[in-house]
Order: sequence, then C-alpha cells, then structure tokens
Amino acid sequence: KAGVTQTPRYLIKTRGQQVTLSCSPISGHRSVSWYQQTPGQGLQFLFEYFSETQRNKGNFPGRFSGRQFSNSRSEMNVSTLELGDSALYLCASSFGLAGGIADTQYFGPGTRLTVL
Amino acid sequence: AQRVTQPEKLLSVFKGAPVELKCNYSYSGSPELFWYVQYSRQRLQLLLRHISRESIKGFTADLNKGETSFHLKKPFAQEEDSAMYYCALEGAQKLVFGQGTRLTINP
Repeated sequence: KAGVTQTPRYLIKTRGQQVTLSCSPISGHRSVSWYQQTPGQGLQFLFEYFSETQRNKGNFPGRFSGRQFSNSRSEMNVSTLELGDSALYLCASSFGLAGGIADTQYFGPGTRLTVL
Repeated sequence: AQRVTQPEKLLSVFKGAPVELKCNYSYSGSPELFWYVQYSRQRLQLLLRHISRESIKGFTADLNKGETSFHLKKPFAQEEDSAMYYCALEGAQKLVFGQGTRLTINP
C-alpha cells in the first residue's frame, strides 16, 4: 500500500510569512502526528490528530497549529515564521489505537522548510 | 515526564564486530519502546518494537525495567547497518525520541 506522503518536499520562506504543510496518511490510518527535526533539538513532537480532533500537543508556541480533515489528511500551519523554524517537518500516521496498545507510526519523507 | 537518552552521538565499529547502541528511558507508566532507523536519503522507519520481541536484520533489543534500558544489539555488524538510529518511547499518543546515534560500520 502507498506510504505516507507529504507536500511540498521543499519550501523556502522569509521571516514573518506563514506556511502550510500537508500530509496524506496511509489508507485506513486515522491518526496523524507531526514532528519537527533539527540538528540541535533532534525529533520533537508537535501534535497528534485522530478523527479530526487534536489529542495531544507538544511544547511549541501557538504559532504552530494543525488540523485534520474527514479523510484523515492533515495540515500544519506555522504563522509569523522565525529563522529558528527552519527544520525538517515529519508527519507520521498510524491506526491510532487507544487503550495503551502500542501502535506503529509510519513516517513520511518530510518537508524541508528553510526560513530566510 | 517521558524522557529518552542515547548517550552516544557517534559509534564506529568494524564489520563483523558486535554492536550495542544504548538507550535509557524515564517514564512513570508501562513503557512501549521502539527503535527507528534512518538510512542515508531514506525516511525514518521502524526497526523493531519491544512488544514484538522479534529480531529484524539481526538486531535485537531487550527491555530491562530494572535498569530502565532498551539497548539495541547485533552480534556481527554489516556495512549496510550504517545509519542513524533513534530510540523512542510511546506514551499518551506521542513518541518521544532520543537524540539519536550515528552508527558507522568500517570495512
């Protein structure tokens, strides 16, 4: 089956602008998580959506937001971009099983955002 | 709070030698632990998970709750094992990753 896809793959923006990234999960997966990857901080959790509801959020400012659509596709938005937002943004999808059952997350290739 | 520590940023071993990548965690609940791998120019992918108790590509990892560790081991390293390895802990619908260990296998 097709893997997780992310668009665009590369993006260059300037400070102060806003950006929207898109993620299409594996068919049948209802959970989408977003992560930021930087050389200094590594992989950090942004937020997770399940059935159009945000279930969990990491420690990022309110400039970072997301949403999920009824077909499970997800978007994340970053407003008022700062230089430090330059990173690889990864999304991951899973079935989103509840009840403490471990659920494998499958990652997309990422969107490389550069803020100038 | 969830926390994962990988003490080695870089690890270099010779082909055929044993490999051990260390991972320690901190979590108040019952941990679900994973090892993810990222080969050059490829996406992050699951290597193995402790709940499965399986061996993938010759790698194994045992959860030691007493030492709060989940070290990744392979008895004989191969050149294709060169990659970035991340230990991760799952809790409350999110994965917390360690900083990663870059493993290089020398011929």
